[in-house]
Amino acid sequence: AQSVTQLGSHVSVSEGALVLLRCNYSSSVPPYLFWYVQYPNQGLQLLLKYTTGATLVKGINGFEAEFKKSETSFHLTKPSAHMSDAAEYFCAVNPNSGGSNYKLTFGKGTLLTVNP
Amino acid sequence: GAGVSQSPSNKVTEKGKDVELRCDPISGHTALYWYRQSLGQGLEFLIYFQGNSAPDKSGLPSDRFSAERTGGSVSTLTIQRTQQEDSAVYLCASSLRGGGTEAFFGQGTRLTVV
Repeated sequence: AQSVTQLGSHVSVSEGALVLLRCNYSSSVPPYLFWYVQYPNQGLQLLLKYTTGATLVKGINGFEAEFKKSETSFHLTKPSAHMSDAAEYFCAVNPNSGGSNYKLTFGKGTLLTVNP
Repeated sequence: GAGVSQSPSNKVTEKGKDVELRCDPISGHTALYWYRQSLGQGLEFLIYFQGNSAPDKSGLPSDRFSAERTGGSVSTLTIQRTQQEDSAVYLCASSLRGGGTEAFFGQGTRLTVV
């Protein structure tokens, strides 16, 4: 079974400041990891994903995340926040497994507020 | 189509009535998911279809909920005898084959039970 924990249901930063959204996972097998963003009244959009290879992955809108196996973490960062980054962010995991349990498991989300 | 399409976008229904929510996945995507998003509750997995395999229904909250996927394409989520606690946004997603492939989400159906 897998689970995802996002520390902080609400994060507030100033425009231009570093954005750090935390995600820790548990999985019995090596996972695939995802970050999604949801703008108000919209569906979810993929920001970035880790499957294999380089552990630092870059996504859209200047976001990146690093897979740290030893820490079971996949934290999302952006060096400089922009007002347009205000949204809800979801971390998700599914097992890199040959079995049938492919479903994405999501964290509860982190609402990012960007202050001018 | 170009993306995952869900209908209706909004649905208001009276308590006790049945509702059907529709999802048109991206053409060629074999995997289809339904999630429920309630205020402050994050995303709750409901059901997963993958090709011709038996669906994973482990997330359906009660026997009032059911879903089917016809011809490996369109899916319908049915809620019978709706209750106020069913009010939420129901999100559908599809992916090329499940596993590590990206899931593309529809805009959701906002269900309000009054």
